[in-house]
Amino acid sequence: KAGVTQTPRYLIKTRGQQVTLSCSPISGHRSVSWYQQTPGQGLQFLFEYFSETQRNKGNFPGRFSGRQFSNSRSEMNVSTLELGDSALYLCASSESRGRSYEQYFGPGTRLTVT
Amino acid sequence: QKEVEQNSGPLSVPEGAIASLNCTYSDRVSQSFFWYRQYSGKSPELIMSIYSNGDKEDGRFTAQLNKASQYVSLLIRDSQPSDSATYLCAVSSLKTSYDKVIFGPGTSLSVIP
Repeated sequence: KAGVTQTPRYLIKTRGQQVTLSCSPISGHRSVSWYQQTPGQGLQFLFEYFSETQRNKGNFPGRFSGRQFSNSRSEMNVSTLELGDSALYLCASSESRGRSYEQYFGPGTRLTVT
Repeated sequence: QKEVEQNSGPLSVPEGAIASLNCTYSDRVSQSFFWYRQYSGKSPELIMSIYSNGDKEDGRFTAQLNKASQYVSLLIRDSQPSDSATYLCAVSSLKTSYDKVIFGPGTSLSVIP
């Protein structure tokens, strides 16, 4: 099976702009989670989508939003970018079945806000 | 108290030695436990998952779980320089109606040739 893919891999934006990141999960996986990773804060959970519904949300401001499509592909959007949004954004997919919550990560999108 | 804690690194071990990585968690109803390896500049890669008390072995890796002590560890036998990476412990806890995965801050491992 193909792994999790994320596009774009690298992005440079200016403060105040908005950005949309895309994630395609492993075939058959219905859960997609998004994380922000920075050197100082580690891996922080943004939100999770399952069957087009957001079912978990982390402690991030409303500028961070996401959605999931019927084919399980997901997008996250960040509006009014701030310098502190510079980070590696990771998408992870999971079958989310039973007790298992094994997540498989994509390569990430490196966002730099200038 | 943080939900998932890991021993602070960096941890340095000589090649061929056993590397021991530790993780404690605060939520007693946690059900699933995972170890991820993350190389510098790369995304986390799932290497082990464990759900029941005891040991689980996979090649050179052994995960150990003790739910009574709320403790999970990862042992890497015959450590190789290619094992040098950050190891993330993740715990799945039932929150509301759905599982929620919490990641620890990670432990940096350096295997010295």
